[in-house]
Amino acid sequence: AQTVTQSQPEMSVQEAETVTLSCTYDTSESDYYLFWYKQPPSRQMILVIRQEAYKQQNATENRFSVNFQKAAKSFSLKISDSQLGDAAMYFCAYRRVSNTGNQFYFGTGTSLTVIP
Amino acid sequence: DTGVSQNPRHKITKRGQNVTFRCDPISEHNRLYWYRQTLGQGPEFLTYFQNEAQLEKSRLLSDRFSAERPKGSFSTLEIQRTEQGDSAMYLCASSLGFAETQYFGPGTRLLVL
Repeated sequence: AQTVTQSQPEMSVQEAETVTLSCTYDTSESDYYLFWYKQPPSRQMILVIRQEAYKQQNATENRFSVNFQKAAKSFSLKISDSQLGDAAMYFCAYRRVSNTGNQFYFGTGTSLTVIP
Repeated sequence: DTGVSQNPRHKITKRGQNVTFRCDPISEHNRLYWYRQTLGQGPEFLTYFQNEAQLEKSRLLSDRFSAERPKGSFSTLEIQRTEQGDSAMYLCASSLGFAETQYFGPGTRLLVL
């Protein structure tokens, strides 16, 4: 079974600084997708960034980038130039590449506080 | 707004009552998913539909839970004989295909007294 582990329940960062959120996962499959979702307080989850496991290049989306280490089964999220609006719960998620069973497996989340 | 919508946003019920939630996916999305999220946890998969067919169900989905997606459009999730342990946020998500990102709705927060 796939498991996703986020070992940092809470993180904080000074506005304009950089922070890295950790995620590890366990799978026996060679191809899959990894995601980071953001869930602001009382608001819906939105996609931050997505990585296909077959791609060696790390995904980037503006201030957000990932460090994908396939052998280590590690998928960390780096937020550069942190903004107050980045404060939220961040969830790492795994999904198989399959026409069935493609539900997400989520970690327990990391609560990010941005300090002005 | 063409995102995923869910109704109601909040529901308070007494133990033993039945409740039904509705999810309207993004219009062209053929896949629809239900998740449950308890406090301090990530969402856990419950079930998913491709068009009107319910293709997978988690063992979390006890026989008190039933989901439908008539005509492959909106979906309903019904919980019969609610228990206090059913208190959670119920999230719906949709995607265009299996390779596509899932887009989440705002959720329905259920409180069972």
